[in-house]
Amino acid sequence: QSVLTQPPSVSGAPGQRVTISCTGSSSNIGAGYDVHWYQQLPGTAPKLLIFGNSNRPSGVPDRFSGSKSGTSASLAITGLQAEDEADYYCQSYDSSLSGPVVFGGGTKLTVL
Amino acid sequence: QALLVESGGGLLKPGGSLRLSCTASGFTFSDHYMTWIRQAPGKGLEWVSYISGSGSTIYYADSVKGRFTISRDNAKNSLYLQVNSLRAEDTAVYYCARGNSGFDYWGQGTLVTVST
Repeated sequence: QSVLTQPPSVSGAPGQRVTISCTGSSSNIGAGYDVHWYQQLPGTAPKLLIFGNSNRPSGVPDRFSGSKSGTSASLAITGLQAEDEADYYCQSYDSSLSGPVVFGGGTKLTVL
Repeated sequence: QALLVESGGGLLKPGGSLRLSCTASGFTFSDHYMTWIRQAPGKGLEWVSYISGSGSTIYYADSVKGRFTISRDNAKNSLYLQVNSLRAEDTAVYYCARGNSGFDYWGQGTLVTVST
């Protein structure tokens, strides 16, 4: 049971737009902590995709965007491409006693 | 360009111990928090522990507290994770990553398998 809740899977056709939600609580996202997103291609280490809620590291296409509101955050991918098929994780900080760093359970994106 | 390389994984029996290492290059190691994150086979990411640049601030996940110890040697640009009293549920790929949130560089991971 992850502290941050993501849908297990999403799918879309090439060229379409998909969004992945990340729902937290008042001890993490709702407390004002930043949300970060990672992309994990099959068999590889995760890669930072979005940091500080909506910022893209150098080299990440602008097809990827992030937003945050209240106790939730979202990752949007436009112009879906076959190479986007991967697992996506949100991550934030948490002020509860169980540990300061929390991840979502991950979302498998399938490009149809 | 920052590079992180983990080593030290292997196959161990329950109750065993191991020390994982992460060697960093391409950045000023002592300036950065460092973190261990693990991923069980077919599962999601789980934060394990982080340590500040000086080593003075350390946090652990409840699942490993009392069994795992994080440390670093800034002179050797190295991060360590001593894992003791291993359980089957500790089986995972262990990644080191730079930072304490918003991890911008990750190693390739090292596999720890706990099995009889």
